[in-house]
Amino acid sequence: DTGVSQDPRHKITKRGQNVTFRCDPISEHNRLYWYRQTLGQGPEFLTYFQNEAQLEKSRLLSDRFSAERPKGSFSTLEIQRTEQGDSAMYLCASSRIAGGDVMPHNEKLFFGSGTQLSVL
Amino acid sequence: ELKVEQNPLFLSMQEGKNYTIYCNYSTTSDRLYWYRQDPGKSLESLFVLLSNGAVKQEGRLMASLDTKARLSTLHITAAVHDLSATYFCAAVPYGGATNKLIFGTGTLLAVQP
Repeated sequence: DTGVSQDPRHKITKRGQNVTFRCDPISEHNRLYWYRQTLGQGPEFLTYFQNEAQLEKSRLLSDRFSAERPKGSFSTLEIQRTEQGDSAMYLCASSRIAGGDVMPHNEKLFFGSGTQLSVL
Repeated sequence: ELKVEQNPLFLSMQEGKNYTIYCNYSTTSDRLYWYRQDPGKSLESLFVLLSNGAVKQEGRLMASLDTKARLSTLHITAAVHDLSATYFCAAVPYGGATNKLIFGTGTLLAVQP
């Protein structure tokens, strides 16, 4: 399978616990995005990386959330001290853009199947 | 701030019928995307519309873009059960340096035999 892979598929945790999700993008994709999707809503942008640099974070990403992409390949999203409001599907997406193209009109995002988080 | 609205939110239609899903966005955008999502599955890219008057077709689905009206439509022709899914449109803020998609709330399409 050469698509975007996310692990785990489902995570149930108790309020106050820390959780970490992993995303493996498509090989050689240099951009990686995290989105959050709640039931009945469209996905909301959280953050994105170009290679290992985290270039933008949404105001939705509180200080309890941290994302990393240490070697420019896989990424992790950690939520500390989880709250019931964090329950959602966390989606990862990746894309490949040419090096000097800052505003790629033909950028195509490939999404993973997501990690469904339930905070009890 | 760019906002994206879709209607209807839920659409039940019979096989063989035609229908249109509408996507309005609030501020100038230079890219409009349509995605399909099956329950528990990933989002699948359907169309990217890059300019005013753009029209793209794939099978029974046709998408169009009117940037002056800030409106995109997804037209379904002679629906079949396999088209049952949730359809999202998404726009990118004009001049945005990233592909930071702003999604609509989605349209749940149920095609009945």
